[in-house]
Amino acid sequence: DSGVTQTPKHLITATGQRVTLRCSPRSGDLSVYWYQQSLDQGLQFLIQYYNGEERAKGNILERFSAQQFPDLHSELNLSSLELGDSALYFCASSVRTSGGAGETQYFGPGTRLLVL
Amino acid sequence: DQQVKQNSPSLSVQEGRISILNCDYTNSMFDYFLWYKKYPAEGPTFLISISSIKDKNEDGRFTVFLNKSAKHLSLHIVPSQPGDSAVYFCAADGSEKLVFGKGTKLTVNP
Repeated sequence: DSGVTQTPKHLITATGQRVTLRCSPRSGDLSVYWYQQSLDQGLQFLIQYYNGEERAKGNILERFSAQQFPDLHSELNLSSLELGDSALYFCASSVRTSGGAGETQYFGPGTRLLVL
Repeated sequence: DQQVKQNSPSLSVQEGRISILNCDYTNSMFDYFLWYKKYPAEGPTFLISISSIKDKNEDGRFTVFLNKSAKHLSLHIVPSQPGDSAVYFCAADGSEKLVFGKGTKLTVNP
């Protein structure tokens, strides 16, 4: 158990819909990262938040957005869903106080999204 | 442009033997590397890491070697156990994010 929790574990929805994925980081961790893993693909970085502020963006679609709340939990919002958005979505957290390299990220169990 | 490559999609070894998983990277700015293990339907689990100031880091049965001049790292598992069967991801710390390889599926046969 990494200490990172994600809900829901599974999500089935239809094209055009909007969903929200939730992540609670490990106690004491200030940074939250979101990754997407599609079939036969490695994990692709989407976005990072540090202490409530966006710190880095990867290949995140404009239809996707995220935020980190004062209690440090984070939500990833996916809208106007398409079939190709079906994937595993992972959240990770780290202490990362100053943005320097060399910190380990700990991953949650993921949310499996299926868009029909 | 794949900055972290794991060229072997799969590897099969006998229980008790050594497993060697390889990873190559292209960005010389990477200075911290990690290996994660992933079972189906679970999130990646941190295994071991290495800073670019070292060339070897060991933790029990797991050893990671880093060859900076070749931009290559490897994970050695000795002895391999059936419970080690999983997908192993190599990752490089690209400052603010991890850059992952596509993974190598390790199967350890009893």
